[in-house]
Amino acid sequence: AQTVTQSQPEMSVQEAETVTLSCTYDTSENNYYLFWYKQPPSRQMILVIRQEAYKQQNATENRFSVNFQKAAKSFSLKISDSQLGDTAMYFCAFIPTGTASKLTFGTGTRLQVTL
Amino acid sequence: DTGVSQNPRHKITKRGQNVTFRCDPISEHNRLYWYRQTLGQGPEFLTYFQNEAQLEKSRLLSDRFSAERPKGSFSTLEIQRTEQGDSAMYLCASSRAAYNSPLHFGNGTRLTVT
Repeated sequence: AQTVTQSQPEMSVQEAETVTLSCTYDTSENNYYLFWYKQPPSRQMILVIRQEAYKQQNATENRFSVNFQKAAKSFSLKISDSQLGDTAMYFCAFIPTGTASKLTFGTGTRLQVTL
Repeated sequence: DTGVSQNPRHKITKRGQNVTFRCDPISEHNRLYWYRQTLGQGPEFLTYFQNEAQLEKSRLLSDRFSAERPKGSFSTLEIQRTEQGDSAMYLCASSRAAYNSPLHFGNGTRLTVT
């Protein structure tokens, strides 16, 4: 079974600053995908970024980037130049490759961006 | 692409009543998922369909829960004899068939059982 742990229930960052959200996971699988999803207040969950475990290069999407450390089973999300619209719950999620099945989510980190 | 649509947005029901939720996935997506999210937790997998076939069910899905996707398009999730512990946000998501395709989520149906 896979587990995903997000050890930071809440974080706060000032607008234009950089923040890093932590995620660790436990699996015996060698090939898998990792995702960060964002859930704004009262709005639907959307995909922020994804990483394929066999790729050593860290994924980047505009202001969002990840630090993927496969040996440490760590997958942190860095948000640069934080904006008020980044305020949301952020969920880390995992799925083994070759399975047409479920994502396993962490418990989430509530990020508040302040002026 | 109109996104994943879920109805109703909110449902309040008394314990013991039956409720049914509907999900309309993105039209070209042949996979459809149901998740449950309780306060302060991440979404937990309930079940998923590929086209009309229900391929996996979580142990969380007791025999009071049933999901259908009769024509491989929209899906319904029914909860019979609701209990207060069923109070949660029920999320629907859809995706293409490739295993690394991202899930697209709906806004969810918030169920409150009184």
